[in-house]
Amino acid sequence: DQQVKQNSPSLSVQEGRISILNCDYTNSMFDYFLWYKKYPAEGPTFLISISSIKDKNEDGRFTVFLNKSAKHLSLHIVPSQPGDSAVYFCAASETSYDKVIFGPGTSLSVIP
Amino acid sequence: NAGVTQTPKFQVLKTGQSMTLQCAQDMNHEYMSWYRQDPGMGLRLIHYSVGAGITDQGEVPNGYNVSRSTTEDFPLRLLSAAPSQTSVYFCASSYRGQGYEQYFGPGTRLTVT
Repeated sequence: DQQVKQNSPSLSVQEGRISILNCDYTNSMFDYFLWYKKYPAEGPTFLISISSIKDKNEDGRFTVFLNKSAKHLSLHIVPSQPGDSAVYFCAASETSYDKVIFGPGTSLSVIP
Repeated sequence: NAGVTQTPKFQVLKTGQSMTLQCAQDMNHEYMSWYRQDPGMGLRLIHYSVGAGITDQGEVPNGYNVSRSTTEDFPLRLLSAAPSQTSVYFCASSYRGQGYEQYFGPGTRLTVT
């Protein structure tokens, strides 16, 4: 049973608009959440993270929102650019030193 | 800084053969991990290490062995390859723990026939 779920396998957005990628988790012990981006034929790269003591973390065009009571987080990209087209993985762990569980990923296409 | 390097990039094995996927990092990271990526499954943790001489199992460890004799290297051994091990394998390292930023290698695409 997947502990980290990304229910949208794919998403298409117009350039300049907002992209919202969603992630749900089932393990209430998760305290650290991360987003990774992956281009084809490359390894994933870290994008942004958030710990459970916060409900929002922002880094440039990327913002992650965490709703612990709903066991839900989302990644907002504003404005979206064609170079953002990639697969985005949500990941979670119980502690910063614990193993990380990844979701299945969402493929984002930003259309020029 | 080369970061995390993996060899080979591609490999084809016959069922029952064994091989070692190599992983090295030059960032002096204590934490290293091996993941496999399969369609619709995301990245699944195979084995990880919190330092030289210390390894532990992840979500899908069966059929794989690891060792960590140095900080830099973390090889993954397939003992007797099976078609179910056809996948893309990624090695990753991090400074303080997997809950912090991990740096991934470029991956090894393995096909078992």
